[in-house]
Amino acid sequence: AQSVAQPEDQVNVAEGNPLTVKCTYSVSGNPYLFWYVQYPNRGLQFLLKYITGDNLVKGSYGFEAEFNKSQTSFHLKKPSALVSDSALYFCAVRDAGVDGGYQKVTFGTGTKLQVIP
Amino acid sequence: DGGITQSPKYLFRKEGQNVTLSCEQNLNHDAMYWYRQDPGQGLRLIYYSQIVNDFQKGDIAEGYSVSREKKESLPLTVTSAQKNPTAFYLCASSRLATMVGETQYFGPGTRLLVL
Repeated sequence: AQSVAQPEDQVNVAEGNPLTVKCTYSVSGNPYLFWYVQYPNRGLQFLLKYITGDNLVKGSYGFEAEFNKSQTSFHLKKPSALVSDSALYFCAVRDAGVDGGYQKVTFGTGTKLQVIP
Repeated sequence: DGGITQSPKYLFRKEGQNVTLSCEQNLNHDAMYWYRQDPGQGLRLIYYSQIVNDFQKGDIAEGYSVSREKKESLPLTVTSAQKNPTAFYLCASSRLATMVGETQYFGPGTRLLVL
């Protein structure tokens, strides 16, 4: 069974400082990993994904994430936080499995990012 | 929120009443999904559909039903059998359900409240 953990319910960071939102995963095969952001009372917006290749993935709004296979992690990062980055962030994982069969996406419980002016 | 619309934004349900949440997409995606979001629990899959006239139960399908008569639409009915329906409901779509690298795109959500 696949799973994903976001160990921090909330992360506080000062505006202009670097931010990290943590995510670890467990799958039996190779992972496909995703980050989404959710603003209050809105749907999830796709930020970035790791499929294969370069371990550093760049996404929308200046975010990036680093895939670390040995640590089974996929932490979200941004060099300089903005107040407008304050939102709920979700990590998600899908087992690569075998194409042709449905493999569900498992979402983490979310991390609330608060950027302090 | 891309090309996925959900209506209404807020929905109130009375005891014993069935209600239907609308989801429409203009992305020409084959696959559509319904998720339920509760505080601190992340997203849980209710139903998914890979193609017109086909749908499969997700992890928490009891008390819910769907239909897929059109490629663009996957309405979700919350029946009276769902005893705790208060939640935020999210619809999503992707090009294919069976390609694991595919990204799911989400609608703006419907908040269901019980009177």
